[in-house]
Amino acid sequence: DQQVKQNSPSLSVQEGRISILNCDYTNSMFDYFLWYKKYPAEGPTFLISISSIKDKNEDGRFTVFLNKSAKHLSLHIVPSQPGDSAVYFCAASARKNAGNMLTFGGGTRLMVKP
Amino acid sequence: KAGVTQTPRYLIKTRGQQVTLSCSPISGHRSVSWYQQTPGQGLQFLFEYFSETQRNKGNFPGRFSGRQFSNSRSEMNVSTLELGDSALYLCASSFLTGMIQETQYFGPGTRLLVL
Repeated sequence: DQQVKQNSPSLSVQEGRISILNCDYTNSMFDYFLWYKKYPAEGPTFLISISSIKDKNEDGRFTVFLNKSAKHLSLHIVPSQPGDSAVYFCAASARKNAGNMLTFGGGTRLMVKP
Repeated sequence: KAGVTQTPRYLIKTRGQQVTLSCSPISGHRSVSWYQQTPGQGLQFLFEYFSETQRNKGNFPGRFSGRQFSNSRSEMNVSTLELGDSALYLCASSFLTGMIQETQYFGPGTRLLVL
């Protein structure tokens, strides 16, 4: 049972345009959401996060939107740059035993063309 | 501030052997989590340690175990290796105040190949 889903395995965008990566979740207990960027054979790099008490969080070119009623979040990258080409994972966590446990989506490969 | 470090970076073992992987968290971080990444299953949570205690555990067999030391460094062990254990093993650390959800920061991973 996949609790976090990224339905688009890949996305191709022209440099300078907006990249929109989507993520859906099913577990209503999730209350913290994160986006990570990953290159092959490296660890994920944290990009941006959002708490369930918010519906938007912005950090430079990256904005995450959360729609709790739809159990959907999205990452917007504006403007997209060739260096943004990587696999993007969304992840979610729920307070459980006051600890951390991330549930990841399957990832979306973003290709930004010059 | 130094990031999460993992050793070794690459490892080749044969079926039936055991392996120990090491993780040093970011200075001041007290929570260490381990994840396995495979092409078929994606990124999956193994376990989390805080103050030398396992706080959460994922759905993995008992062959996978871990521990945390008083300096927050952590090790994970896989016994009786199987071919399917070939994966990238990732360690992540967070400060973990216990009051709010924490961002986890990942190390570069250990690539394990089981032959």
